[in-house]
Amino acid sequence: AQSVTQLGSHVSVSEGALVLLRCNYSSSVPPYLFWYVQYPNQGLQLLLKYTSAATLVKGINGFEAEFKKSETSFHLTKPSAHMSDAAEYFCAVRGGDSGGSNYKLTFGKGTLLTVNP
Amino acid sequence: GAGVSQTPSNKVTEKGKYVELRCDPISGHTALYWYRQSLGQGPEFLIYFQGTGAADDSGLPNDRFFAVRPEGSVSTLKIQRTERGDSAVYLCASSLWENTEAFFGQGTRLTVV
Repeated sequence: AQSVTQLGSHVSVSEGALVLLRCNYSSSVPPYLFWYVQYPNQGLQLLLKYTSAATLVKGINGFEAEFKKSETSFHLTKPSAHMSDAAEYFCAVRGGDSGGSNYKLTFGKGTLLTVNP
Repeated sequence: GAGVSQTPSNKVTEKGKYVELRCDPISGHTALYWYRQSLGQGPEFLIYFQGTGAADDSGLPNDRFFAVRPEGSVSTLKIQRTERGDSAVYLCASSLWENTEAFFGQGTRLTVV
């Protein structure tokens, strides 16, 4: 079965600092990869997605992620953190091998990002 | 409406009671999904509807859980004989087709006391 590992359940950065949230997936066939953001008491909002076009994917709010097949990674970055970026971030996969489907999202456990003034 | 709507936003129920959670998908979306998010975890897949039929219900934890989508639009997740372990946020999502972007609702926070 597909699995997603997010290293670090909690990441804390200063305002203006680089944001790096890590995500690794388990699949020998590259799946579709997603990053979602969840603000308190809200649903999931799609930040960006990788669908086998460009390996560097740009998303909303200045976030981007790079797909690295050799490392089975899809880390999320943002050059300069804003206070409004404080939220929980989830990496997810869809498809790939090991019975991956075209519809079922498998999520990591999430990383809570706090931004200090 | 413009997005996926879930009602109620919060539900507190006593152990052993029956609950229904409602999801109104985006108009025209054929695919509908239910996920469950327990505290400190990512969302976990429960069930997928394509139109009126449940195409994949492999994520339902046991036979106390059941979901319907009788007219291919609104869906109801039904939980019988609730247990404290059912406490979680239940998320609904919809997409135009099965392999297109899924849009999530705000969720229903279920608390079983």
